[in-house]
Amino acid sequence: EAQVTQNPRYLITVTGKKLTVTCSQNMNHEYMSWYRQDPGLGLRQIYYSMNVEVTDKGDVPEGYKVSRKEKRNFPLILESPSPNQTSLYFCASSPEGGRWEKLFFGSGTQLSVL
Amino acid sequence: AQKVTQAQTEISVVEKEDVTLDCVYETRDTTYYLFWYKQPPSGELVFLIRRNSFDEQNEISGRYSWNFQKSTSSFNFTITASQVVDSAVYFCALSSLYSGGGADGLTFGKGTHLIIQP
Repeated sequence: EAQVTQNPRYLITVTGKKLTVTCSQNMNHEYMSWYRQDPGLGLRQIYYSMNVEVTDKGDVPEGYKVSRKEKRNFPLILESPSPNQTSLYFCASSPEGGRWEKLFFGSGTQLSVL
Repeated sequence: AQKVTQAQTEISVVEKEDVTLDCVYETRDTTYYLFWYKQPPSGELVFLIRRNSFDEQNEISGRYSWNFQKSTSSFNFTITASQVVDSAVYFCALSSLYSGGGADGLTFGKGTHLIIQP
């Protein structure tokens, strides 16, 4: 089944404790991206990647890191999480063309930073 | 910078009523794409439609229809004979070459929470 898989689904952590949210897609998509969703703010892009080894900042990249060493994986890293990073996170992918194509989203990761 | 405005934060209607979700966009580009996504209470985001800037034909898919008007920079979404299962947050999105800043040109609106009451 074609899908974008995010893990974990829920995560509670404490300030400053490094964490990684994994994202994997099995559709051989070139483009992948991360979004955060907050009440009243909608979806905001954190980072995106047009292809392997190519990543770029989105609208709200501060406090986050990503890597794209393989086409299928695009992990989101929070080196030192803070409470303002409590949010619902979505990974997405699309075929070559990136933003021109429809996005396939993962199921989301609800992160709480205490 | 480009912008997507969904002025209706929340809409509540009774089942079987028709409802229209508004989406107004701003872009300097002449080539762009518009999208609608649905986020049901379960939380996943589901693609509904994509429309390019050169295709102003309205689209109908079952009870769903979309009205694209370049003259008013709007891409509105209508649900006819709404059902409880239509309850969700709906996002409109714009993708164009010009976005400003460091982003890749895809901008989402803040979403409209649609509540269909039985």
